[in-house]
Amino acid sequence: DAGITQSPRYKITETGRQVTLMCHQTWSHSYMFWYRQDLGHGLRLIYYSAAADITDKGEVPDGYVVSRSKTENFPLTLESATRSQTSVYFCASSADPPFAFFGPGTRLTVL
Amino acid sequence: GNSVTQMEGPVTLSEEAFLTINCTYTATGYPSLFWYVQYPGEGLQLLLKATKADDKGSNKGFEATYRKETTSFHLEKGSVQVSDSAVYFCALSDHSGFNKFYFGSGTKLNVKP
Repeated sequence: DAGITQSPRYKITETGRQVTLMCHQTWSHSYMFWYRQDLGHGLRLIYYSAAADITDKGEVPDGYVVSRSKTENFPLTLESATRSQTSVYFCASSADPPFAFFGPGTRLTVL
Repeated sequence: GNSVTQMEGPVTLSEEAFLTINCTYTATGYPSLFWYVQYPGEGLQLLLKATKADDKGSNKGFEATYRKETTSFHLEKGSVQVSDSAVYFCALSDHSGFNKFYFGSGTKLNVKP
């Protein structure tokens, strides 16, 4: 499928478990981002990447890890999930000039 | 630093009413400005954008003008429809090496028939 996809779309997990959210884009965009969306906070940037193997922390990186070994993939890992990480997670990609395309989101519930 | 402030919602309008959603920004340099729309259960979609001062972005009857003097990018539509009900996000990109985007908190629009 062309575009940007996220998997899974829905995930329920328990406190303390490791969870990985996947993001894949087919445009070969250099830039990729992970956001979380919570009521009252809008979208907050977790991590971003300018290219394969180049990543940096955003506004709310604690408890998350990212990697980018290939341009098209940008997985987000919650090393030990907490209830406060219950949220909707959006992946996005962008080329130059900036024009962000968003994935459909992953709704994560941590019990 | 960079930030975006937009009006609190929800905004409730009757069909065919005029819409304004206010957005102001703080940025270093000359950012690009965007409006994104999010329909229920979906991701964000680009609605319109403007890349320099005095540019007007437009799409689907929506318009916004990049006002550098007032650091604003207000969204307007002359006649809203029920199908416009969604959450609207104002955003900027600072043209940094990472093309980072900064979003406002979103404004929910409810349009009643």
